[in-house]
Amino acid sequence: SAVISQKPSRDICQRGTSLTIQCQVDSQVTMMFWYRQQPGQSLTLIATANQGSEATYESGFVIDKFPISRPNLTFSTLTVSNMSPEDSSIYLCSVESRRGVYEQYFGPGTRLTVT
Amino acid sequence: LAKTTQPISMDSYEGQEVNITCSHNNIATNDYITWYQQFPSQGPRFIIQGYKTKVTNEVASLFIPADRKSSTLSLPRVSLSDTAVYYCLVGDESNFGNEKLTFGTGTRLTIIP
Repeated sequence: SAVISQKPSRDICQRGTSLTIQCQVDSQVTMMFWYRQQPGQSLTLIATANQGSEATYESGFVIDKFPISRPNLTFSTLTVSNMSPEDSSIYLCSVESRRGVYEQYFGPGTRLTVT
Repeated sequence: LAKTTQPISMDSYEGQEVNITCSHNNIATNDYITWYQQFPSQGPRFIIQGYKTKVTNEVASLFIPADRKSSTLSLPRVSLSDTAVYYCLVGDESNFGNEKLTFGTGTRLTIIP
């Protein structure tokens, strides 16, 4: 299985600022995914990041608000821009597994609080 | 992806077997059924996956009836450490390697000492 780390694990940010979240995988993967989990809610996919191409965003999420970088096969960043309290969530990255259908490995998440 | 419906919450005592049922009436022929477990402050973790009949691993069993319109995750002899949210997902293998997981509401399982 893949080991995924995220930095920071948590942060408290002020309204209007931006935060970049890093996701590091211990093996090379083609697809990386970014999810948001609002307090007490389920996970919602933000975007899919494929190395060497622009990220693909889901409905309701735009690149200006959540720019993503994918410089190589083991690393990705998600930036939450111009934050508001509504952006307070846990942000998780995940990667595909080659073991089976719909099996992904998730990072521990980054807990973001916007004041 | 087929829509799934699960109970929002369940309670069980330690040592009992817990069965969580998921309804997926619109499951397609090529769809697989996958269950994830999420502990507080952690990302979801893959538990088990199946297509039909029964699948068993070291953690759980998955029962799928012939019509595949529902599935039941069975956790044997639960302990306090099984307290978590359990998600049922249904998806098509044709997207293998490029799956966009769609998480439903999940079932919050609480184990009582």
